[in-house]
Amino acid sequence: EAGVAQSPRYKIIEKRQSVAFWCNPISGHATLYWYQQILGQGPKLLIQFQNNGVVDDSQLPKDRFSAERLKGVDSTLKIQPAKLEDSAVYLCASSQQGVVGNTIYFGEGSWLTVV
Amino acid sequence: DQQVKQNSPSLSVQEGRISILNCDYTNSMFDYFLWYKKYPAEGPTFLISISSIKDKNEDGRFTVFLNKSAKHLSLHIVPSQPGDSAVYFCAASARGNTGKLIFGQGTTLQVKP
Repeated sequence: EAGVAQSPRYKIIEKRQSVAFWCNPISGHATLYWYQQILGQGPKLLIQFQNNGVVDDSQLPKDRFSAERLKGVDSTLKIQPAKLEDSAVYLCASSQQGVVGNTIYFGEGSWLTVV
Repeated sequence: DQQVKQNSPSLSVQEGRISILNCDYTNSMFDYFLWYKKYPAEGPTFLISISSIKDKNEDGRFTVFLNKSAKHLSLHIVPSQPGDSAVYFCAASARGNTGKLIFGQGTTLQVKP
């Protein structure tokens, strides 16, 4: 079974530029998550989708971050304009359902450096 | 507000000995706890979990203990192997919270041969 796919793996941009990350979850997984992991910290949830609807985006900086999952399968996370503090690993994850007890599987992450 | 805390940033143990990683939480609504392992340049991988109705869950060399009154859980690895060297994250979830995980800061485990 294929895992969670993410691209690009690495990206370096200048501040105020924009960047987009793509994620394809495990086949059949209805719930998709985007987490941000800053160096030395644990992953922090940015947004959670159930199919193509947003379940939780309370910690998404909506003035610069946006995400979509139009057909309920793959998803895109965009940052515009980027700030230095956005340098982090962006982890996409998926689970069969967004309920307690369902294992969440992570992709390898997209590493962003903002200079 | 750090609801899940891993107060030890790093731990070093000798191969064959026991590794004990600790995690504390503050939210009494948490009822499901997980440990993830992360190698450099990879995403976290699920290791073991425990529901709040249990106080122990075992899977091979890995055992997780939950002390609800102390809001504390720990991961025991016995015996430790060099391949266990990684960052370990504790995570928690609350019933009715749509599966959202709150992570600790991580503990880097180094197992020396």
